[in-house]
Amino acid sequence: AQTVTQSQPEMSVQEAETVTLSCTYDTSESDYYLFWYKQPPSRQMILVIRQEAYKQQNATENRFSVNFQKAAKSFSLKISDSQLGDAAMYFCAYRRGEKLTFGTGTRLTIIP
Amino acid sequence: NAGVTQTPKFQVLKTGQSMTLQCAQDMNHEYMSWYRQDPGMGLRLIHYSVGAGITDQGEVPNGYNVSRSTTEDFPLRLLSAAPSQTSVYFCASREGQLNTGELFFGEGSRLTVL
Repeated sequence: AQTVTQSQPEMSVQEAETVTLSCTYDTSESDYYLFWYKQPPSRQMILVIRQEAYKQQNATENRFSVNFQKAAKSFSLKISDSQLGDAAMYFCAYRRGEKLTFGTGTRLTIIP
Repeated sequence: NAGVTQTPKFQVLKTGQSMTLQCAQDMNHEYMSWYRQDPGMGLRLIHYSVGAGITDQGEVPNGYNVSRSTTEDFPLRLLSAAPSQTSVYFCASREGQLNTGELFFGEGSRLTVL
């Protein structure tokens, strides 16, 4: 079974600074998808960024980018120019076929 | 466009009671799923459906039943609630044909079983 590990239960960053959230996963597959979801206090799950495993280029969405290391099975999220609205739980997720497996989450605090 | 709608948003049950969490989506998505979220454990897949009349088990299916009679609706049934089912439940949907399709989540339903 696939597992997704987020080793940082909590992180904090100064407003306007950069922070990186870590994620590793375990799989024997070569074709899969990886995602980062954000869950603010409202509880709504919001897709931040996604990466297809067959693509070598790292995905980028405005201030959010990933460092995808397929051989190392690592998928970290970098948030640049952190804003107060970035405060949330962040979940890394792996998808192969119809099932999506989530990590346990990292709570990100933004320090004004 | 309402997206994914879950009802109720909050519910308190006594052990042994039954209830149904409703989920409806108006995006004509083929794929629908139910997750539960517990502290320190992330989201875990309960059941999913790839189309009307087709359902399958996820990671933690015990104690839950589902059915998919229409494309729009995917209710989750608890036949005999237990305190271990106290959790926040999320319904999610996406287009079935696109492997990179974004998963759209409802706002969640907080269930407490006493």
